[in-house]
Amino acid sequence: SQQGEEDPQALSIQEGENATMNCSYKTSINNLQWYRQNSGRGLVHLILIRSNEREKHSGRLRVTLDTSKKSSSLLITASRAADTASYFCATANQAGTALIFGKGTTLSVSS
Amino acid sequence: DTEVTQTPKHLVMGMTNKKSLKCEQHMGHRAMYWYKQKAKKPPELMFVYSYEKLSINESVPSRFSPECPNSSLLNLHLHALQPEDSALYLCASSQDFDRGIYNEQFFGPGTRLTVL
Repeated sequence: SQQGEEDPQALSIQEGENATMNCSYKTSINNLQWYRQNSGRGLVHLILIRSNEREKHSGRLRVTLDTSKKSSSLLITASRAADTASYFCATANQAGTALIFGKGTTLSVSS
Repeated sequence: DTEVTQTPKHLVMGMTNKKSLKCEQHMGHRAMYWYKQKAKKPPELMFVYSYEKLSINESVPSRFSPECPNSSLLNLHLHALQPEDSALYLCASSQDFDRGIYNEQFFGPGTRLTVL
């Protein structure tokens, strides 16, 4: 079963706007990761936030983590057409045997 | 070198064929992974190798046979596949592998497999 669930499933914005994606998960975690996947290609690691962290920044990316609500959000500021991709959150499953990816949010940024 | 390479990029095979997918990394990572990704779905873990030993097999059918010849190479041998096995097969590596503490993984571009 999936550990993470992203919301929304799809998001369309204009260049320069901000994009916010949310992820909810079910069990306790050590960390939560966000990945990007351009169409039909491999995934690229964006950011890892540990369970004792509440917020993390990397360039135009800002990730928050609320362990009490079992949720995380990814904010991309000043979006660009090149940000068009699918974004997945990922956490370890309860048994700790696998990294489970959420269903993903498909972001489309138009110029 | 922070790249994971995969060959071939595309593969078309019949249900009676035997083929292999290859993955290579030169980052000194001790953990390597195979994932399967169907269209418009998230990747699903198949196998984990840690220090060249199979650590995790996520109940994958035996028609998929992984092999780790050395710390830089990971193969996936395919035999008697079904059309529903058509998917993007992704290889990934990470510094190491700890159950429950998954760290950053580096992914290859994938092999697009079509089974006829």
